[in-house]
Amino acid sequence: GDSVTQMEGPVTLSEEAFLTINCTYTATGYPSLFWYVQYPGEGLQLLLKATKADDKGSNKGFEATYRKETTSFHLEKGSVQVSDSAVYFCALRNTGNQFYFGTGTSLTVIP
Amino acid sequence: DVKVTQSSRYLVKRTGEKVFLECVQDMDHENMFWYRQDPGLGLRLIYFSYDVKMKEKGDIPEGYSVSREKKERFSLILESASTNQTSMYLCASSLLGGTGELFFGEGSRLTVL
Repeated sequence: GDSVTQMEGPVTLSEEAFLTINCTYTATGYPSLFWYVQYPGEGLQLLLKATKADDKGSNKGFEATYRKETTSFHLEKGSVQVSDSAVYFCALRNTGNQFYFGTGTSLTVIP
Repeated sequence: DVKVTQSSRYLVKRTGEKVFLECVQDMDHENMFWYRQDPGLGLRLIYFSYDVKMKEKGDIPEGYSVSREKKERFSLILESASTNQTSMYLCASSLLGGTGELFFGEGSRLTVL
């Protein structure tokens, strides 16, 4: 079946460090791919998305590129801030309109 | 601003009580979902609905039921709450087709004593 695997955390970085959170997926066809962010005590918010191969999603300095050849959608940011501390979820929507989520990666950015 | 609204952010209930969690969306979405979120387990799908009066079981439907009488409203019901249902409950909605994302509510944290 379809699935999403993402890097386990927690991840702790110093402010202005480079961030990568790995995400790989298994799906038939051409799913849409998403990164969501969850701040403490809140629901999930869409951070970025890509709907076809080689698309790059970007928002708030975060980027991820849909790589069909490696079935990956890694999240990157060049310089993290304390306010980026949150849990990040990779997700896919398959051609059957079903959604699958990774287990989440907790990020803490220290000043 | 589009929105998914969950009626209660925090609830405390006793074992055996009936619990209703309400969710309303204002985006005219066909699909609505209920997830629970627990540490280390990520999001697990309880039930979803793709139309009024339609419902489908997700991965963990036991101990839960749902109601969708109107397109914009999707309710999760715990007929007899138990302590292992203490969790964060997240409602979400999406368009039926296409490549669009899920829109989430802010969550309802339920504690069953």
